[in-house]
Amino acid sequence: GENVEQHPSTLSVQEGDSAVIKCTYSDSASNYFPWYKQELGKRPQLIIDIRSNVGEKKDQRIAVTLNKTAKHFSLHITETQPEDSAVYFCAATFSVDSSYKLIFGSGTRLLVRP
Amino acid sequence: DAGITQSPRYKITETGRQVTLMCHQTWSHSYMFWYRQDLGHGLRLIYYSAAADITDKGEVPDGYVVSRSKTENFPLTLESATRSQTSVYFCASSEPQQGNTQYFGPGTRLTVL
Repeated sequence: GENVEQHPSTLSVQEGDSAVIKCTYSDSASNYFPWYKQELGKRPQLIIDIRSNVGEKKDQRIAVTLNKTAKHFSLHITETQPEDSAVYFCAATFSVDSSYKLIFGSGTRLLVRP
Repeated sequence: DAGITQSPRYKITETGRQVTLMCHQTWSHSYMFWYRQDLGHGLRLIYYSAAADITDKGEVPDGYVVSRSKTENFPLTLESATRSQTSVYFCASSEPQQGNTQYFGPGTRLTVL
């Protein structure tokens, strides 16, 4: 079935340390993998995405890696700061006929301790 | 983000009432989506639409109805609200030709008493 699993559900790190969130997806045809950050009471906001023809993408302190063979992708945040505290969601595309949809993981609550 | 709006932002209703949540986008994106967000469940897809007059079920469509007569609007109707439909509802839109990035509306917090 269409499924995206995300781990861990909560993550607490010390300011300055790195944080890694992992996701697996079920459909080998999935070709787009975004990551969203959601602060309390706000809407989800895209922070980085990766497509299936790329193995890694970096944007300043955040990076995403994709392993298509194993069907998993990860978000890496380096030098974490208190403002990184939020809930992070991964997602993967699933195609239905000629249309597509995004299925989200269940989220990771990241707490960065000052 | 200002290009996608939802109304109302907050709604309290009673069990059995019909409720319609509105979503409007100004980007002419072909795709629109409805999600519900509950603690512990993340974002679950209710319905989506690839274009006007085309709608498809998502993960949790039961109890909801959608329509898309115009590209810019995608209303979600709860025909007979139940307490289990108490949730935060997010609308989103995307354009595959612009990379599939989904942009979310501000959300509607719905409480069913």
